[in-house]
Amino acid sequence: AQKITQTQPGMFVQEKEAVTLDCTYDTSDQSYGLFWYKQPSSGEMIFLIYQGSYDEQNATEGRYSLNFQKARKSANLVISASQLGDSAMYFCAMRPGNYGQNFVFGPGTRLSVLP
Amino acid sequence: EAGVAQSPRYKIIEKRQSVAFWCNPISGHATLYWYQQILGQGPKLLIQFQNNGVVDDSQLPKDRFSAERLKGVDSTLKIQPAKLEDSAVYLCASRQRTGTELTDTQYFGPGTRLTVL
Repeated sequence: AQKITQTQPGMFVQEKEAVTLDCTYDTSDQSYGLFWYKQPSSGEMIFLIYQGSYDEQNATEGRYSLNFQKARKSANLVISASQLGDSAMYFCAMRPGNYGQNFVFGPGTRLSVLP
Repeated sequence: EAGVAQSPRYKIIEKRQSVAFWCNPISGHATLYWYQQILGQGPKLLIQFQNNGVVDDSQLPKDRFSAERLKGVDSTLKIQPAKLEDSAVYLCASRQRTGTELTDTQYFGPGTRLTVL
């Protein structure tokens, strides 16, 4: 069965510094997609970044980048130049490659950005 | 483009009462999902619709939960009767494509926060 692990329940970072949020996954599929979502206190899940299992390059989207290490089954999110508005819950999710398989979410990491 | 709409945003009921949530997905999105998110946890899929048909409801507690998407657009999720452990945020999400593309992301609504007393 697919599983996502996020070992950091909470993280603190100083404003303008970079932070890495950890995510490891477990799957026997060769093909899969990895996603990161941000959930502010308002509750909405906001899509941040996607990485495909066959992508050779690490995904980047503005201040977000994904450190993808396939052999270690890790997909860590890196946020550069943290802003106060980055304070939120962050969820790592995986979609296995088989048709009909749906997202599996990790337990999340709460990030707090300090002024 | 308008996002996924949900209502109500908040609902407080007593146990054994019934409650219904509504979701309107992004226009043109064939796939619709309902998730339950208990405080401190990641979302858990309850049911997936493809147009007006159910694709996956394996984690839906069918003795008390029901969902429908009659015209393949908006959807309702109902709980009857509610239990204390149903207190959670209920998230609706939609996805555009109907294929297996791994890049297809889900777009979420703001959620409905249910409190069962």
